[in-house]
Amino acid sequence: DIQMTQSPSSVSASVGDRVTITCRASQGISSWLAWYQQKPGKAPNFLMYAASSLQSGVPSRFSGSGSGTVFTLTVSSLQPEDSATYFCQQANTFPGTFGGGTKVEIK
Amino acid sequence: EVQLLESGGGLVQPGGSLRLSCTGSGFTFSSYAVSWVRQGPGKGLEWVSGISGSGGSKYYGDSVKGRFTISRDNSKNTLYLQMNSLRAEDMAIYYCARVIATGGGYYLDYWGQGTLVTVSS
Repeated sequence: DIQMTQSPSSVSASVGDRVTITCRASQGISSWLAWYQQKPGKAPNFLMYAASSLQSGVPSRFSGSGSGTVFTLTVSSLQPEDSATYFCQQANTFPGTFGGGTKVEIK
Repeated sequence: EVQLLESGGGLVQPGGSLRLSCTGSGFTFSSYAVSWVRQGPGKGLEWVSGISGSGGSKYYGDSVKGRFTISRDNSKNTLYLQMNSLRAEDMAIYYCARVIATGGGYYLDYWGQGTLVTVSS
């Protein structure tokens, strides 16, 4: 099975800061990676697919990059509503395994 | 509007059984694979099971294989998860999610609100 590892596990940043989350796959998955955002008490929300393609309605301050085994999710200018836990998921095989999550908090 | 609505969660004793349901609306249910994903208390996401649009292909995570059975009734736009021999570690919020296949990858684009399964004596 493909293992997904996210870092850091949590990050605290100020409004307007740039925040980057890293996701590493235990083997190459090309660009088949998704990102989800989950707010407390809510279901995950689909943010991005194919490593860098934004789902419709997702603000452009979110961006993704990477291929193979290392991927990043960047929030260019952190907003209060971005406080959430973010999960990566490998989409190379069905079903895809998730990373452990990164909690983003606002200072 | 695409919607998924889970039901059937509740309190069950260890070793017991429970059947979850997920009803889809706002899309052609039979055209999409769907999955169950769970989240234990304070934990991350764990994929549990998935089924193709026709129901002909089924997939299970190692932790539930042999105990859980996924099925669907496309005439009722409903997905099921029969959970037997439940353990304390199965306690979680169970989400159903629609699967989209795009560009060679498989993604979960719409999620239900979840249903809580509590396993305790």
